[in-house]
Amino acid sequence: NAGVTQTPKFRILKIGQSMTLQCTQDMNHNYMYWYRQDPGMGLKLIYYSVGAGITDKGEVPNGYNVSRSTTEDFPLRLELAAPSQTSVYFCASSPTGPEAFFGQGTRLTVV
Amino acid sequence: DQQVKQNSPSLSVQEGRISILNCDYTNSMFDYFLWYKKYPAEGPTFLISISSIKDKNEDGRFTVFLNKSAKHLSLHIVPSQPGDSAVYFCAPHPTSGSARQLTFGSGTQLTVLP
Repeated sequence: NAGVTQTPKFRILKIGQSMTLQCTQDMNHNYMYWYRQDPGMGLKLIYYSVGAGITDKGEVPNGYNVSRSTTEDFPLRLELAAPSQTSVYFCASSPTGPEAFFGQGTRLTVV
Repeated sequence: DQQVKQNSPSLSVQEGRISILNCDYTNSMFDYFLWYKKYPAEGPTFLISISSIKDKNEDGRFTVFLNKSAKHLSLHIVPSQPGDSAVYFCAPHPTSGSARQLTFGSGTQLTVLP
């Protein structure tokens, strides 16, 4: 059972570079989420989607973009990477709401 | 403005004893409360939840208590085992409205000593 798969697991970016964090789920869940976790902090919601073609901003959306063209995929795009985006990023999905299934995370460092 | 507070960043208990992890919240719109467990280098996994219509929910060694008037919930683990060593996040949820999103506390690192 794959569940929620995130790639890459680790990445080092230079300031100003861009990249896409990939997330795919094979559980046919409608809801998908992107969170970031900074050291010693809880997870903060970046963007979420309630179905293909529908996305909305979370608590900390600045500097990020998302798309949801299929039920399975929910990529997160970082444009013009900044040191403040150094964090661990988690993608999650859920069938109807709160009990979400998380991927293993992507550890991103911007230098 | 922190809506969810886990005031103990860390907790150490002996194997076999009870672990009590606490969580306070301020938003009265929260009416469904979840606990997630996270091991290093893994994503959080759902552990247990409670609806606001209940004051207790039990699942094996894990029990969550909710005090709505005090806006406080706690997770009890009895007996604690070394494999329970992880970060525990409290995550309330407002089930009303169109947005379905979790608000996470900052977590409590539980260490169960053999």
